[in-house]
Amino acid sequence: SYVLTQPPSVSVAPGQTARITCGGNNIGSKSVHWYQQKPGQAPVLVVYDDSDRPSGIPERFSGSNSGNTATLTISRVEAGDEADYYCQVWDSSSDPHVVFGGGTKLTVL
Amino acid sequence: QVQLQESGPGLVKPSETLSLTCAVSGYSISSGYYWGWIRQPPGKGLEWIGSIYHSGSTYYNPSLKSRVTISVDTSKNQFSLKLSSVTAADTAVYYCARSSAAMVPCDYWGQGTLVTVSS
Repeated sequence: SYVLTQPPSVSVAPGQTARITCGGNNIGSKSVHWYQQKPGQAPVLVVYDDSDRPSGIPERFSGSNSGNTATLTISRVEAGDEADYYCQVWDSSSDPHVVFGGGTKLTVL
Repeated sequence: QVQLQESGPGLVKPSETLSLTCAVSGYSISSGYYWGWIRQPPGKGLEWIGSIYHSGSTYYNPSLKSRVTISVDTSKNQFSLKLSSVTAADTAVYYCARSSAAMVPCDYWGQGTLVTVSS
């Protein structure tokens, strides 16, 4: 089964740039989606298809995907960005299914 | 506005079957889209369980496939999850969600419901 690896935590000061990685074998060949989840809430999609943003998501959120690593970049980080972030891909193997990364806790210092 | 609402027992005994229903409003299930279930054990990450198309076509997480059944009731505009032979490891918040295709991300989610497996 396909495995996605995320760092457990990332810390950044307000106004700086946060980069959250999602590693997987040849992940660059897949479409990667990113969710933000705040405590007690359902996940919210912030980036889809590697680098597209849903309506209502600030331009500060961007994504990239190449080789074995996909990256969610949050520019000019704000206190309200503190949350857990999950990457997601579709594993199109003989038994196709959705795979989530383990999640990254973003702390705004 | 599309809304999803999970319902079902909050407590299930070990070895029994967990049953949840997701009521959909603001959109007719029979019009399309995939309807899925995702869970999150307390303090842990997301785990995809599976999804179903309005026609009944399904995809399941291989690690849960032997115990999971997802079904759809278009007459009631709802879909359901059954997970058999549960253990404490199945204790989690269970979310229902919608996606335009099985491989694309979910755009609408329910608020989630906590199911505890305990005797």
